[in-house]
Amino acid sequence: GAVVSQHPSRVICKSGTSVKIECRSLDFQATTMFWYRQFPKQSLMLMATSNEGSKATYEQGVEKDKFLINHASLTLSTLTVTSAHPEDSSFYICSGRQGSYGYTFGSGTRLTVV
Amino acid sequence: TQLLEQSPQFLSIQEGENLTVYCNSSSVFSSLQWYRQEPGEGPVLLVTVVTGGEVKKLKRLTFQFGDARKDSSLHITAAQPGDTGLYLCAGGAGSSNTGKLIFGQGTTLQVKP
Repeated sequence: GAVVSQHPSRVICKSGTSVKIECRSLDFQATTMFWYRQFPKQSLMLMATSNEGSKATYEQGVEKDKFLINHASLTLSTLTVTSAHPEDSSFYICSGRQGSYGYTFGSGTRLTVV
Repeated sequence: TQLLEQSPQFLSIQEGENLTVYCNSSSVFSSLQWYRQEPGEGPVLLVTVVTGGEVKKLKRLTFQFGDARKDSSLHITAAQPGDTGLYLCAGGAGSSNTGKLIFGQGTTLQVKP
């Protein structure tokens, strides 16, 4: 089946630094990837939609200058959290879309900003 | 804005009991998906329902899509401790080109042995 590899699985960074999270579709081409954020015991909140070769579309309330998304190829999308602060600590999950109903999720990245 | 209201948000039951989780919206969805998520992992797809009135079964799990395609339910028969987890419904939102998924609030299920 389709697999999305997400790295790193856990990262701890200092406040003010930037962190990059990668998502790769291993056996399919994901023209569209989605980035979600999840707080403890809560559901997934869509942050942005990235399409290969074009600018990402951000959901209302999500700072595009803080959460930089790049989807340079059909198999790789990256999310960079810039100037991270403790309130950015969360579980970030990506999802690659294949076909009309095929969504494959990465295993998530636990970001802790200290 | 398309929203999915999922209930209940928390459920703690004894092994062997039955339960139903509901996912409701005032909007029509082209499809609805149900996922299960373990702590520290990404959601795993359980089922996709597309046709209004559709019923799908996955062992002890029964999924139903409302006739009007605005709601869905997940019924678990004879729950087991291994069913413990976060259950999420998600519907396709936006245009057919964007294909983004909007998630309900989730149902945290705990099955006690």
